[in-house]
Amino acid sequence: GENVEQHPSTLSVQEGDSAVIKCTYSDSASNYFPWYKQELGKRPQLIIDIRSNVGEKKDQRIAVTLNKTAKHFSLHITETQPEDSAVYFCAACLSGGYQKVTFGIGTKLQVIP
Amino acid sequence: GAVVSQHPSWVICKSGTSVKIECRSLDFQATTMFWYRQFPKQSLMLMATSNEGSKATYEQGVEKDKFLINHASLTLSTLTVTSAHPEDSSFYICSATRPGLAVAYEQYFGPGTRLTVT
Repeated sequence: GENVEQHPSTLSVQEGDSAVIKCTYSDSASNYFPWYKQELGKRPQLIIDIRSNVGEKKDQRIAVTLNKTAKHFSLHITETQPEDSAVYFCAACLSGGYQKVTFGIGTKLQVIP
Repeated sequence: GAVVSQHPSWVICKSGTSVKIECRSLDFQATTMFWYRQFPKQSLMLMATSNEGSKATYEQGVEKDKFLINHASLTLSTLTVTSAHPEDSSFYICSATRPGLAVAYEQYFGPGTRLTVT
C-alpha cells in the first residue's frame, strides 16, 4: 500500500519567515496530493492541493511543489502569521474508483510572534 | 457548500456498551464516506471506506465486528463502536466525497466525535 512520510514533525518559525514541510510517497499510482490544516480540536481543512500533471501550484502565501520522479512534494508558506500555527498533514490519493487517502504523520507548525 | 456534520460531537460511555456515531453530508450526496480515528497528537488513520448500499471496506487491522459501518443513504453513514473498551477512546472523524467536481478526490471532513470510554 501507499506510505507517506512527512517531516519535520515540529517546526517553529518567526512571524514573517517562511515555513517548508516536505513529504514523500511510495506508490507511483498516486495522482492527487492534498494538504490539510488542523487547528487544535477542529476538523482538518483542505488548504491546497496538486495533481500529478502539475509541478507547482500557488495560492496567495501558500504554494505546493511536486516532483513525480522523486515522489516527493512540499508545502511552502511565506510571510507566516500566528494564525498559521496548526498541524499540517500532507496526503496522497490513489487513482481509480477506490478513493483512498493516506496521510502523513503531520507537522506541528508554531509561528512565534 | 460541501458541509459534513457529525453527531454527537462528544460522548462518554461505559465499558461494554455500544456507541453510534452519525456522519451526514448536509448539502450534497456523498457517494463515498470514510471513517478515520485520530489519537492525540497523531495522524488520521483510515478505518474503513463506506459506499452507499454496499458493505464497507475495512483497513487491515480494523475489526469489522467491532466497528460496524452502515451507509444507508447518500447522505448518511453511521459508525457503531460495539462493546466499547477504554482503548477505543479516540477522536473519530468522517469525511465524504462527491462526484462531479474539478477536484475528484477532495474530501470534506466532519467536525469529529470525541469518544471517551470509562
